[in-house]
Amino acid sequence: DQQVKQNSPSLSVQEGRISILNCDYTNSMFDYFLWYKKYPAEGPTFLISISSIKDKNEDGRFTVFLNKSAKHLSLHIVPSQPGDSAVYFCAARKGGIQGAQKLVFGQGTRLTINP
Amino acid sequence: EAQVTQNPRYLITVTGKKLTVTCSQNMNHEYMSWYRQDPGLGLRQIYYSMNVEVTDKGDVPEGYKVSRKEKRNFPLILESPSPNQTSLYFCASTPQAGGLTEAFFGQGTRLTVV
Repeated sequence: DQQVKQNSPSLSVQEGRISILNCDYTNSMFDYFLWYKKYPAEGPTFLISISSIKDKNEDGRFTVFLNKSAKHLSLHIVPSQPGDSAVYFCAARKGGIQGAQKLVFGQGTRLTINP
Repeated sequence: EAQVTQNPRYLITVTGKKLTVTCSQNMNHEYMSWYRQDPGLGLRQIYYSMNVEVTDKGDVPEGYKVSRKEKRNFPLILESPSPNQTSLYFCASTPQAGGLTEAFFGQGTRLTVV
Protein backbone atom coordinates (compact mmCIF):
# COMPACT_ATOMS: atom_id res chain seq x y z
CA ASP A 1 0.00 0.00 0.00
CA GLN A 2 1.14 3.49 -0.79
CA GLN A 3 1.61 5.22 2.57
CA VAL A 4 2.72 8.48 1.00
CA LYS A 5 0.84 9.74 -2.02
CA GLN A 6 1.39 12.54 -4.45
CA ASN A 7 -1.73 12.53 -6.57
CA SER A 8 -0.57 15.02 -9.16
CA PRO A 9 1.99 13.49 -11.53
CA SER A 10 2.67 16.87 -13.08
CA LEU A 11 2.15 20.58 -12.51
CA SER A 12 2.77 23.53 -14.81
CA VAL A 13 3.16 27.05 -13.38
CA GLN A 14 3.98 30.44 -14.83
CA GLU A 15 7.29 31.95 -13.82
CA GLY A 16 6.87 34.31 -10.87
CA ARG A 17 3.66 32.69 -9.65
CA ILE A 18 3.23 30.34 -6.71
CA SER A 19 3.76 26.58 -7.10
CA ILE A 20 1.89 24.35 -4.67
CA LEU A 21 2.79 20.68 -4.49
CA ASN A 22 0.66 18.39 -2.38
CA CYS A 23 1.30 15.18 -0.48
CA ASP A 24 -0.96 12.93 1.60
CA TYR A 25 0.05 10.19 4.03
CA THR A 26 -1.79 7.46 5.83
CA ASN A 27 0.55 6.39 8.64
CA SER A 28 0.07 8.43 11.82
CA MET A 29 3.43 7.14 13.12
CA PHE A 30 5.35 9.37 10.71
CA ASP A 31 7.03 12.15 12.65
CA TYR A 32 9.30 13.80 10.10
CA PHE A 33 8.55 14.87 6.56
CA LEU A 34 10.92 15.91 3.82
CA TRP A 35 10.81 17.25 0.30
CA TYR A 36 13.43 16.26 -2.22
CA LYS A 37 14.07 17.77 -5.61
CA LYS A 38 15.41 15.72 -8.51
CA TYR A 39 16.86 16.85 -11.80
CA PRO A 40 17.33 14.37 -14.67
CA ALA A 41 20.46 12.21 -14.39
CA GLU A 42 21.04 13.35 -10.80
CA GLY A 43 20.20 11.96 -7.38
CA PRO A 44 17.49 13.50 -5.21
CA THR A 45 18.68 16.50 -3.22
CA PHE A 46 17.18 17.60 0.05
CA LEU A 47 15.06 20.72 -0.13
CA ILE A 48 13.18 21.30 3.11
CA SER A 49 11.73 19.34 6.01
CA ILE A 50 9.26 19.64 8.84
CA SER A 51 8.84 17.89 12.16
CA SER A 52 5.42 16.65 13.18
CA ILE A 53 5.44 19.05 16.13
CA LYS A 54 5.32 22.01 13.75
CA ASP A 55 2.80 23.12 11.19
CA LYS A 56 5.03 25.33 9.07
CA ASN A 57 8.66 25.63 8.10
CA GLU A 58 10.06 28.28 5.83
CA ASP A 59 13.36 28.54 3.99
CA GLY A 60 13.65 31.39 1.54
CA ARG A 61 11.24 30.83 -1.33
CA PHE A 62 10.19 27.43 0.02
CA THR A 63 7.59 26.82 2.70
CA VAL A 64 6.25 23.48 3.84
CA PHE A 65 2.91 23.24 5.63
CA LEU A 66 1.78 20.26 7.67
CA ASN A 67 -1.82 19.50 8.57
CA LYS A 68 -1.63 16.51 10.89
CA SER A 69 -5.36 16.10 11.32
CA ALA A 70 -5.79 15.81 7.56
CA LYS A 71 -2.51 13.88 7.13
CA HIS A 72 -1.57 16.33 4.44
CA LEU A 73 1.46 18.41 3.67
CA SER A 74 2.21 20.88 0.94
CA LEU A 75 5.23 22.63 -0.49
CA HIS A 76 4.86 26.23 -1.60
CA ILE A 77 7.40 27.83 -3.89
CA VAL A 78 7.09 31.56 -4.38
CA PRO A 79 8.04 33.10 -6.66
CA SER A 80 8.59 30.15 -8.99
CA GLN A 81 11.69 30.27 -11.17
CA PRO A 82 12.67 28.26 -14.28
CA GLY A 83 15.39 26.51 -12.27
CA ASP A 84 12.65 25.05 -10.06
CA SER A 85 11.58 22.78 -12.92
CA ALA A 86 12.27 19.29 -11.59
CA VAL A 87 10.58 16.26 -10.06
CA TYR A 88 9.65 16.78 -6.42
CA PHE A 89 9.34 13.87 -4.02
CA CYS A 90 7.59 13.98 -0.70
CA ALA A 91 9.04 11.59 1.91
CA ALA A 92 8.18 10.59 5.47
CA ARG A 93 9.77 8.61 8.26
CA LYS A 94 8.83 7.24 11.61
CA GLY A 95 10.56 8.12 14.84
CA GLY A 96 13.22 6.09 16.61
CA ILE A 97 16.32 4.31 15.40
CA GLN A 98 14.51 2.00 12.99
CA GLY A 99 12.47 4.86 11.62
CA ALA A 100 15.55 6.93 10.92
CA GLN A 101 16.70 4.28 8.52
CA LYS A 102 13.71 4.30 6.25
CA LEU A 103 12.24 7.04 4.14
CA VAL A 104 8.88 6.32 2.54
CA PHE A 105 8.49 8.25 -0.70
CA GLY A 106 5.59 9.45 -2.73
CA GLN A 107 5.41 8.90 -6.48
CA GLY A 108 6.77 12.33 -7.33
CA THR A 109 5.35 15.40 -9.07
CA ARG A 110 7.01 16.86 -12.16
CA LEU A 111 6.97 20.65 -11.87
CA THR A 112 7.44 22.73 -15.00
CA ILE A 113 7.93 26.48 -14.72
CA ASN A 114 6.98 28.29 -17.91
CA PRO A 115 8.70 31.57 -18.78
CA GLU B 1 33.43 17.67 -1.03
CA ALA B 2 30.87 15.64 0.92
CA GLN B 3 29.30 13.11 -1.38
CA VAL B 4 27.86 9.69 -2.04
CA THR B 5 29.45 8.03 -5.06
CA GLN B 6 27.90 5.21 -7.03
CA ASN B 7 29.45 3.18 -9.81
CA PRO B 8 28.70 2.48 -12.53
CA ARG B 9 26.26 5.19 -13.59
CA TYR B 10 24.87 3.10 -16.42
CA LEU B 11 24.88 -0.65 -16.87
CA ILE B 12 23.33 -3.03 -19.38
CA THR B 13 23.59 -6.69 -18.53
CA VAL B 14 22.05 -10.03 -19.41
CA THR B 15 19.72 -12.13 -17.30
CA GLY B 16 21.56 -14.23 -14.74
CA LYS B 17 24.94 -12.53 -14.89
CA LYS B 18 25.97 -11.48 -11.40
CA LEU B 19 26.73 -7.82 -10.91
CA THR B 20 27.68 -5.40 -8.15
CA VAL B 21 26.88 -1.72 -7.87
CA THR B 22 29.26 0.06 -5.55
CA CYS B 23 28.42 2.89 -3.17
CA SER B 24 30.84 4.92 -1.11
CA GLN B 25 30.33 7.93 1.18
CA ASN B 26 32.97 10.24 2.61
CA MET B 27 30.88 11.79 5.40
CA ASN B 28 31.46 9.13 8.08
CA HIS B 29 27.73 8.42 8.19
CA GLU B 30 26.52 5.43 10.16
CA TYR B 31 23.42 4.72 8.10
CA MET B 32 23.30 3.73 4.46
CA SER B 33 20.47 2.54 2.24
CA TRP B 34 19.65 1.41 -1.25
CA TYR B 35 16.52 2.51 -3.11
CA ARG B 36 15.09 1.80 -6.51
CA GLN B 37 13.01 4.28 -8.47
CA ASP B 38 10.33 3.08 -10.86
CA PRO B 39 7.74 5.11 -12.79
CA GLY B 40 4.61 5.77 -10.77
CA LEU B 41 6.09 4.20 -7.64
CA GLY B 42 8.59 6.75 -6.39
CA LEU B 43 11.60 5.46 -4.50
CA ARG B 44 11.34 2.20 -2.57
CA GLN B 45 13.88 0.98 -0.06
CA ILE B 46 15.69 -2.27 -0.90
CA TYR B 47 18.10 -2.72 2.03
CA TYR B 48 19.57 -0.60 4.75
CA SER B 49 22.50 -0.72 7.14
CA MET B 50 22.75 0.84 10.57
CA ASN B 51 26.49 0.27 10.88
CA VAL B 52 29.31 -2.07 9.90
CA GLU B 53 28.09 -5.67 9.69
CA VAL B 54 24.50 -4.59 10.50
CA THR B 55 22.08 -4.82 7.58
CA ASP B 56 18.35 -5.39 7.22
CA LYS B 57 15.68 -5.69 4.55
CA GLY B 58 13.67 -2.78 3.28
CA ASP B 59 10.42 -3.00 1.36
CA VAL B 60 11.64 -4.73 -1.81
CA PRO B 61 14.66 -6.92 -0.93
CA GLU B 62 13.93 -9.92 -3.17
CA GLY B 63 16.73 -10.63 -5.60
CA TYR B 64 19.26 -8.37 -3.90
CA LYS B 65 22.07 -8.74 -1.39
CA VAL B 66 24.18 -6.19 0.43
CA SER B 67 27.22 -6.13 2.65
CA ARG B 68 28.73 -3.55 4.99
CA LYS B 69 32.30 -4.51 5.79
CA GLU B 70 33.50 -0.93 6.06
CA LYS B 71 31.65 2.14 7.25
CA ARG B 72 32.10 4.05 3.99
CA ASN B 73 31.06 1.30 1.53
CA PHE B 74 27.72 -0.37 0.93
CA PRO B 75 27.66 -2.42 -2.29
CA LEU B 76 24.45 -3.77 -3.82
CA ILE B 77 24.74 -7.26 -5.28
CA LEU B 78 22.43 -8.85 -7.82
CA GLU B 79 23.35 -12.54 -7.84
CA SER B 80 21.11 -13.44 -10.78
CA PRO B 81 19.59 -10.32 -12.33
CA SER B 82 16.21 -10.53 -14.03
CA PRO B 83 14.44 -8.06 -16.34
CA ASN B 84 12.14 -6.90 -13.52
CA GLN B 85 15.22 -5.48 -11.81
CA THR B 86 15.63 -2.99 -14.62
CA SER B 87 15.40 0.26 -12.71
CA LEU B 88 17.13 3.39 -11.46
CA TYR B 89 19.04 2.71 -8.25
CA PHE B 90 20.08 5.19 -5.58
CA CYS B 91 22.37 4.79 -2.63
CA ALA B 92 21.86 7.09 0.35
CA SER B 93 23.60 7.84 3.64
CA THR B 94 22.28 9.47 6.80
CA PRO B 95 24.43 10.95 9.58
CA GLN B 96 22.76 9.75 12.75
CA ALA B 97 20.01 7.72 14.32
CA GLY B 98 16.89 9.42 15.59
CA GLY B 99 17.98 12.93 14.74
CA LEU B 100 16.04 15.08 12.34
CA THR B 101 18.52 14.83 9.53
CA GLU B 102 18.11 14.24 5.86
CA ALA B 103 19.50 11.47 3.71
CA PHE B 104 22.16 12.28 1.11
CA PHE B 105 21.78 10.50 -2.22
CA GLY B 106 24.22 9.37 -4.86
CA GLN B 107 23.73 10.27 -8.51
CA GLY B 108 22.08 7.00 -9.39
CA THR B 109 22.78 3.87 -11.42
CA ARG B 110 20.55 3.09 -14.36
CA LEU B 111 20.45 -0.68 -14.76
CA THR B 112 18.97 -2.49 -17.73
CA VAL B 113 18.66 -6.28 -17.62
CA VAL B 114 17.93 -7.91 -20.99
